[in-house]
Order: sequence, then C-alpha cells, then structure tokens
Amino acid sequence: DQQVKQNSPSLSVQEGRISILNCDYTNSMFDYFLWYKKYPAEGPTFLISISSIKDKNEDGRFTVFLNKSAKHLSLHIVPSQPGDSAVYFCAAKSRGGGKLIFGQGTELSVKP
Amino acid sequence: KAGVTQTPRYLIKTRGQQVTLSCSPISGHRSVSWYQQTPGQGLQFLFEYFSETQRNKGNFPGRFSGRQFSNSRSEMNVSTLELGDSALYLCASSLAGEVGYEQYFGPGTRLTVT
Repeated sequence: DQQVKQNSPSLSVQEGRISILNCDYTNSMFDYFLWYKKYPAEGPTFLISISSIKDKNEDGRFTVFLNKSAKHLSLHIVPSQPGDSAVYFCAAKSRGGGKLIFGQGTELSVKP
Repeated sequence: KAGVTQTPRYLIKTRGQQVTLSCSPISGHRSVSWYQQTPGQGLQFLFEYFSETQRNKGNFPGRFSGRQFSNSRSEMNVSTLELGDSALYLCASSLAGEVGYEQYFGPGTRLTVT
C-alpha cells in the first residue's frame, strides 16, 4: 500500500517559469512533510519541510503548500533554473521516531 | 560541520556472503536511519537507531540488521546476500528523529550482489 504517492514520474519546464510538483498521501497520522532533491549516485538533499499545523512554508524560490483536507501537498519552484533538474521526492513522517515514508519521485527537467 | 559519511561507497559481493556498511552521522545528531533505494521499490525505510537502541523498523527480513555505538555511529549488516539486495543503501541522521527535525542523508553505499 503506497501511503505517499507522486503520480507524475516526470515534469518538463522552461527556465524562468514555475515548477509545481505534487504529492498525495493517505495516512492521516502523518504530521510532518519534507521535500528532497536527488541527483544520480548521491544521497537526497533536504529542501524544505512543513508541519501539519501549517498550510504554507516558504524558503527562497521554494514554497510548499499543504492541503490537509485533500491530503495533498505541492512544491512550487519559482523561477525554475536548469540547476533544479533532478529527481524530487516528497516524504512524510509520523510522531514517534525517524521513519520517513517516501513517494516514488518526480524527475524535473528545466530547459534553458 | 561535516555531513553524513558512509563507507564504503561501492561494494561488490557474491550471493550468500554477508556485508557490513558504516555510517557516521553529523556531529551532535543522535538519530540514524537507514534506507534502501532500488529502481523498482524506490526509497524504503529499513530501521532507525536512537541512543544505541532500535526505535523503528521497516518491513525487511531478519537478514538485515543494524546497531548504533555510543558515539552515534551506526552499522548495518546484511547476511546471506541475495541478488535482490543490490541497491543504494542510504544513511540519514537527525538531531532527535522527532517531528520537526529534518533528516540529512549521506552519499550512500552502492552494493552490487553477483
């Protein structure tokens, strides 16, 4: 049972435009969500997180939105840059320790 | 601060052998989690250690085990290797492993089982 889903395996965006990556979850016990960026043969790099008590968190070009009623979160990257091209994973966490449940990832390609 | 380090970075083993992977967390981090990444299954949680105790465990067979030392360094062991164990094994550390503390990943160990 996939508790965290990223339904788009890939996304292509023009440089300077907005990239929107989506993530859905099923477990209402999740109360913390994170986005990671990953290049091949490297470990994931933490980007931004959001607690379930918030609906938005912003850090520079990255903004994460959380819609708890829809069990949906999204990552907005504005403006997109070619260096943003990577695989993006959303992850969810419950209280009680360090277990992250990851989505399958979305490969973002930003074209110059 | 130095990041999470993992050794070795690459490993080739034969079916039936066993392997030990090592992870050194960021200084001050007490929680260490291990994940397996494969093309088919994505990133899957193996287990988490906090203060030398296993606090969480994923759905992996008993061939996968781990431990944590008093300096927070952690090792994971896989016995009786199978071809399907070929994967990127990632270690992540965080301050306490609780909500609000982000996990930071190492570069991973690429294990190939032949």
